[in-house]
Amino acid sequence: DQQVKQNSPSLSVQEGRISILNCDYTNSMFDYFLWYKKYPAEGPTFLISISSIKDKNEDGRFTVFLNKSAKHLSLHIVPSQPGDSAVYFCAASPTSGTYKYIFGTGTRLKVLA
Amino acid sequence: DAGITQSPRHKVTETGTPVTLRCHQTENHRYMYWYRQDPGHGLRLIHYSYGVKDTDKGEVSDGYSVSRSKTEDFLLTLESATSSQTSVYFCAISVGHQETQYFGPGTRLLVL
Repeated sequence: DQQVKQNSPSLSVQEGRISILNCDYTNSMFDYFLWYKKYPAEGPTFLISISSIKDKNEDGRFTVFLNKSAKHLSLHIVPSQPGDSAVYFCAASPTSGTYKYIFGTGTRLKVLA
Repeated sequence: DAGITQSPRHKVTETGTPVTLRCHQTENHRYMYWYRQDPGHGLRLIHYSYGVKDTDKGEVSDGYSVSRSKTEDFLLTLESATSSQTSVYFCAISVGHQETQYFGPGTRLLVL
């Protein structure tokens, strides 16, 4: 049973538009979330995080939103650029101190020039 | 750059042979992890370590063992490789009070 789900395996977006990547989780004990970007033949790269005490966190073109009641988070990329084309993973961890994350299966984003 | 290297970067081996993958970090972080990435499964935790000689199992630990005799090195061993262990293996470390994980470049393993 997957505790962290990314239900869209792929997404295509025009350059300059908004990309929205979604992630759902089932465990209400999860309270810290991460997003990673992964290019082919490279390790995942940390993008942005959010803890359960917040509902939004921004870093440049990247914003993560957390809806705890719906157990849903989303990553917004505005504006999307061709270099954003990659696989995006969300990850969740229960209360700080366990140091273990559960990862989603990833969404492949393609930004069209 | 979190100062993580993995070796080898690519390996082809035969079923039944032992294989050891190495993860090396340069910054003395306490927590280290081994994941495997497979299509349709994302990243799954194999084993992790919370200090020298302190390790624990992840969700897909069967067929794998680990060792950590020094802070900087975390070894993953496949005692007798099987074709189902063909995968890309990533090492990671935890950094900071919020435990963000940073990944190495990966090892691509093919078991024939």
